[in-house]
Parts: sequence; structure tokens; C-alpha cells
Amino acid sequence: AQSVTQLGSHVSVSEGALVLLRCNYSSSVPPYLFWYVQYPNQGLQLLLKYTSAATLVKGINGFEAEFKKSETSFHLTKPSAHMSDAAEYFCAVSKPGTGGSYIPTFGRGTSLIVHP
Amino acid sequence: DTEVTQTPKHLVMGMTNKKSLKCEQHMGHRAMYWYKQKAKKPPELMFVYSYEKLSINESVPSRFSPECPNSSLLNLHLHALQPEDSALYLCASSQETLNINIQYFGAGTRLSVL
Repeated sequence: AQSVTQLGSHVSVSEGALVLLRCNYSSSVPPYLFWYVQYPNQGLQLLLKYTSAATLVKGINGFEAEFKKSETSFHLTKPSAHMSDAAEYFCAVSKPGTGGSYIPTFGRGTSLIVHP
Repeated sequence: DTEVTQTPKHLVMGMTNKKSLKCEQHMGHRAMYWYKQKAKKPPELMFVYSYEKLSINESVPSRFSPECPNSSLLNLHLHALQPEDSALYLCASSQETLNINIQYFGAGTRLSVL
């Protein structure tokens, strides 16, 4: 079964520091991978997606992620954290399921805390 | 316009009440989804509508009844809920389900069952 594992339920960084949120996937076929962000009292918003094109994917708000097949990883990074980046981040994997539908499976989420 | 609108934003109901959640999108998407999200947890898929037909029901109790009146609207009818049903209910839409499509989420309805 396809799944993603997010290491660390909480990540705490100082403003201006590097952000690294970890995601590992398990899939018997090449996966489609996503990172979503959820700000307080809001729905989820897509940050970026990997669909087997370039392995380094750039997203919104300065985030990027690198697909590493050898490590089965899709970690999310941002060079310099901003206070407004504080949110819940979800890694998700998707492949054809029931009736050929692509429905994402979400990781448990990582809460990013940014200190001044 | 990439907006999915959910109403109401907050809902408090008793266990004997009947209420409905509403979701609307005007992006021409043909797939719409209901998710349930508990605090500090990922969204859990409840239902998927594809071209206005229910295509996925993730074994959700019958006290939750979805409805898709047209391609822009998705409702979730609630009846005889339990306190453990208190959660954030998220609606999402995408172009369709048969390809990798971006899901657009609404801000959710925060439901409290007393």
C-alpha cells in the first residue's frame, strides 16, 4: 500500500533559519507526491507537486522539495524561515486507486513553529 | 477564481438535530470531496463525487449523507450525530479524479456536537 511518513510532529526554527521538513514514501510504483500547507483555521493549500518530471520541484512561498528515489524521500526545504511560515505541513502521495481515481493519502503532518 | 466556499464556518448542533453543510465552487471542476479532520491530524477522506455521481464512500456512517445537486454544489446532510463527530469538515474540488489534479480546499466548517 502506498503511504508517506513524516518524521517529527513538530519542527521549531528561528526566523531566518533553514526549514527542513522530512517525508519518506513507500510505494511499489513511481509515486506522485505533494506538499500541502494548512494555516490556522483554513483549508489545505498546495505548495508543490512531483509528477515524475524534474526531481527538484519549486513551489510557492520560496519552498522546494527534492525527489530522491534512492532514499524514497521528498523532503521540503526553505532557505530562510519567515514568521508567516508557521503552519501545519502535510506530505501526500497519490497513485491510481479505486476505479482509476487518484486520491491523495496524507501523512500525519508536521507543525512548523518559527521563533522570532 | 480558485475558491471553494464552505458555509457555515461554524456549527453547533445537538445529537437530535438535522443540519447541512454546503460547499460551492465555480472553477468548472467535476470532482468534489468531503474530508473530516480532527485537531492535529491529517484529513480523512469521506466521500468523492465524480461528474455528480458518488464514486467513493469510505465506509462513512449513514448519519452523514452527501448530495451533489449540480456540478458546482456539494452538500453534507447531518442527522443524529455523536459528540465524536465534532471536527473540521473540509470540502475540496479538482478537475477530475482520473488524472493527477490539484485539489483546491475550502476553509472548512468547524462542527461541534453537544
